[in-house]
Amino acid sequence: DSGVTQTPKHLITATGQRVTLRCSPRSGDLSVYWYQQSLDQGLQFLIQYYNGEERAKGNILERFSAQQFPDLHSELNLSSLELGDSALYFCASSVGGGGSNQPQHFGDGTRLSIL
Amino acid sequence: GNSVTQMEGPVTLSEEAFLTINCTYTATGYPSLFWYVQYPGEGLQLLLKATKADDKGSNKGFEATYRKETTSFHLEKGSVQVSDSAVYFCALSLSMNYGGSQGNLIFGKGTKLSVKP
Repeated sequence: DSGVTQTPKHLITATGQRVTLRCSPRSGDLSVYWYQQSLDQGLQFLIQYYNGEERAKGNILERFSAQQFPDLHSELNLSSLELGDSALYFCASSVGGGGSNQPQHFGDGTRLSIL
Repeated sequence: GNSVTQMEGPVTLSEEAFLTINCTYTATGYPSLFWYVQYPGEGLQLLLKATKADDKGSNKGFEATYRKETTSFHLEKGSVQVSDSAVYFCALSLSMNYGGSQGNLIFGKGTKLSVKP
């Protein structure tokens, strides 16, 4: 058990809809990272938050947004969903703001299926 | 740009065979290197890491050495078990000394390992 909790585990919805994925980091971790895992693109970094503020941005679409709340949990919002958004979305957390010496701990992911 | 290249899978081995999964990287700055493992239906788990050249990371019988001259971080295990069947990801993280650090991981495509009894 990594200590990172993601909900829901599975999400099935239709094109054009909006969904929210939730992540609770490990106790004491201040950073939350979001990754997307798809068959064609592999594992791609989307966005990082550190102590409530956006820290780094990766290949995140404009239709996607995220935030980190005062209790450090994070939400990833996906809107105007398309078939290509079907993927496994992982959240990871680390103690500090990032840096090569800080391992990231991953949740079990949310599998999003767009019909 | 920064990237990680892993050998394509799947890799199928018999129990007690020797395992090598090749990983090379391209990076600016001074990356740290990681191997993560993903068991079916689960998230990624950190297997081992190395933060500077010539460091050797090891865990659960797996080893990898950070080779700056060949920009490689190959994963090895002397004797695999059925329980090692999983997908293995090589990854790098950059730490920049200006304007703070960048901690996100850049992953390879993953290599699926199947070990037969």
